[in-house]
Amino acid sequence: EAQVTQNPRYLITVTGKKLTVTCSQNMNHEYMSWYRQDPGLGLRQIYYSMNVEVTDKGDVPEGYKVSRKEKRNFPLILESPSPNQTSLYFCASSPLYRDSGREQYFGPGTRLTVT
Amino acid sequence: AQKVTQAQTEISVVEKEDVTLDCVYETRDTTYYLFWYKQPPSGELVFLIRRNSFDEQNEISGRYSWNFQKSTSSFNFTITASQVVDSAVYFCALNPGYSTLTFGKGTMLLVSP
Repeated sequence: EAQVTQNPRYLITVTGKKLTVTCSQNMNHEYMSWYRQDPGLGLRQIYYSMNVEVTDKGDVPEGYKVSRKEKRNFPLILESPSPNQTSLYFCASSPLYRDSGREQYFGPGTRLTVT
Repeated sequence: AQKVTQAQTEISVVEKEDVTLDCVYETRDTTYYLFWYKQPPSGELVFLIRRNSFDEQNEISGRYSWNFQKSTSSFNFTITASQVVDSAVYFCALNPGYSTLTFGKGTMLLVSP
């Protein structure tokens, strides 16, 4: 089954404790992205990657890191989480070829609470 | 820069009413894609429709229909005979062709029995 998986689905942590949210897709997509969703703000892009070893900042990259060492994986790293990073996080992937329609496939979401 | 505006923050209707969710977008690109996603209370994002900028045909899928008007930069979504299961947050999104998806802030639809 074609899918994007994220782990963990729920996480409660404390300020300053480094954490990683994993994202994996099995569709051989070139493009992967991370979004955060906050009430009243919709989804905002954190980072994206066009291919292996190529990453770029989105609209709200501060406080986050990403890496793309393999095509299928795109982990999101919070080196020193703060309460303002409490949010619902979505990973997404998409093919890049011209006629793909650019539809993004979303993971199930990770609800992060930083106390 | 790309922008998507969903002016309706929340809409409440009674079951069987028709409801239209508005979406207005801004882009300088001539080729782009527009999307609607549904987010039910369970939280996942469900893809509903994709439309490219060269296809202005309206589309109907069961109780759902979409009206794309390039002249007014709008891509509105209508649910006919709404049902309680339609209660969700609906997002309109724009992709200018290089895979960066810009979302509107969403419209919460509440359908009461």
